[in-house]
Amino acid sequence: AQSVTQLGSHVSVSEGALVLLRCNYSSSVPPYLFWYVQYPNQGLQLLLKYTSAATLVKGINGFEAEFKKSETSFHLTKPSAHMSDAAEYFCAVRRANAGGTSYGKLTFGQGTILTVHP
Amino acid sequence: GAGVSQTPSNKVTEKGKYVELRCDPISGHTALYWYRQSLGQGPEFLIYFQGTGAADDSGLPNDRFFAVRPEGSVSTLKIQRTERGDSAVYLCASSLTTAGDGRQFFGPGTRLTVL
Repeated sequence: AQSVTQLGSHVSVSEGALVLLRCNYSSSVPPYLFWYVQYPNQGLQLLLKYTSAATLVKGINGFEAEFKKSETSFHLTKPSAHMSDAAEYFCAVRRANAGGTSYGKLTFGQGTILTVHP
Repeated sequence: GAGVSQTPSNKVTEKGKYVELRCDPISGHTALYWYRQSLGQGPEFLIYFQGTGAADDSGLPNDRFFAVRPEGSVSTLKIQRTERGDSAVYLCASSLTTAGDGRQFFGPGTRLTVL
């Protein structure tokens, strides 16, 4: 079974400050990991993904995440927040190896709402 | 079309009624997924199709929920005898394949409100 925990349902930062959104996962098999962003009244958009290549993954809009197997974490960071980063962010996990009916589905965390103050 | 589309964007119904939600995936995508997102929660998996067949329906909450994809493209999620607890945003996603990371592209969702 897989699960995802996002620590902090709300994170507030000042414009220009570091953004850190936390994600921990549990998985019985090697996972693929994803971060999605959801702007108000829009669909989920993929920010970045980890698929067992480089452990430091760079995504769109200046975001990056580091896969740390020893900590079972995949935290999302951005060095300098912009007002346009205000949105809800979801971490998700998926089985990386075929076999079993659970292969295709994504398991999402509860989401973290990011607020950026001027 | 350029992306996944879902219709209607909003659906208001009364308790006990039947509803159908439609998803048009990206052309050529063989895998199609349905998720449900309740207020303040992350999306929860319902069912996914590989081609015309349901490869995994373990997320359907009960037998009031059913989904079809008869020609391997458009899919319809059907909910019978709706209950207030069914109110949520229903998301559809598609992917070219389930191989590799199987990147899923999401539609904008259908917001279902059961009065």
